[in-house]
Amino acid sequence: AQKITQTQPGMFVQEKEAVTLDCTYDTSDQSYGLFWYKQPSSGEMIFLIYQGSYDEQNATEGRYSLNFQKARKSANLVISASQLGDSAMYFCAMREGGKLIFGQGTELSVKP
Amino acid sequence: DTEVTQTPKHLVMGMTNKKSLKCEQHMGHRAMYWYKQKAKKPPELMFVYSYEKLSINESVPSRFSPECPNSSLLNLHLHALQPEDSALYLCASSQVTHYEQYFGPGTRLTVT
Repeated sequence: AQKITQTQPGMFVQEKEAVTLDCTYDTSDQSYGLFWYKQPSSGEMIFLIYQGSYDEQNATEGRYSLNFQKARKSANLVISASQLGDSAMYFCAMREGGKLIFGQGTELSVKP
Repeated sequence: DTEVTQTPKHLVMGMTNKKSLKCEQHMGHRAMYWYKQKAKKPPELMFVYSYEKLSINESVPSRFSPECPNSSLLNLHLHALQPEDSALYLCASSQVTHYEQYFGPGTRLTVT
């Protein structure tokens, strides 16, 4: 069975510092996709970044980058220059057929 | 414009009531989804519609009844719910089922 593991239930980071949120996955498929979503306290899930299993370059979107290590089956999210508005729940997810399988999430708090 | 709208934002209903949740997108997406999310937990997939046809039903109780009247609209009809059905209900859409999903702000449902 495929699954996603996020081992950090909660994390703190100082404003303006970088932070890495961990995500490991388990799949026997050759073709798969990995996603990161942000969920502020308001509830809306915001798509941040996507990495395909065949992509050779790590995905980047503004202050977000995905550290994709295929052999280790990890897809960590790196947020550079943290801002107070980055405080939220972050979910890693993997595409399985026509649906997303989510990890348990990491709650990030940015300190001023 | 990556916007998915959901109405209502909040809903309180009794166990004998019938109500409906509505979701709308105008991005031309052909896949739409319903998720249920409890506090501090990842979203749980309920239903997937692909090209207006129900393609995945994650063994959801029949008191939840989805409907996709056209490619832009997705409804979730609720009847005889239980207090444990209280949760945040999220709608999402994607270009097709393998692409990134864009979520609406959710409906916070309370069953009394």
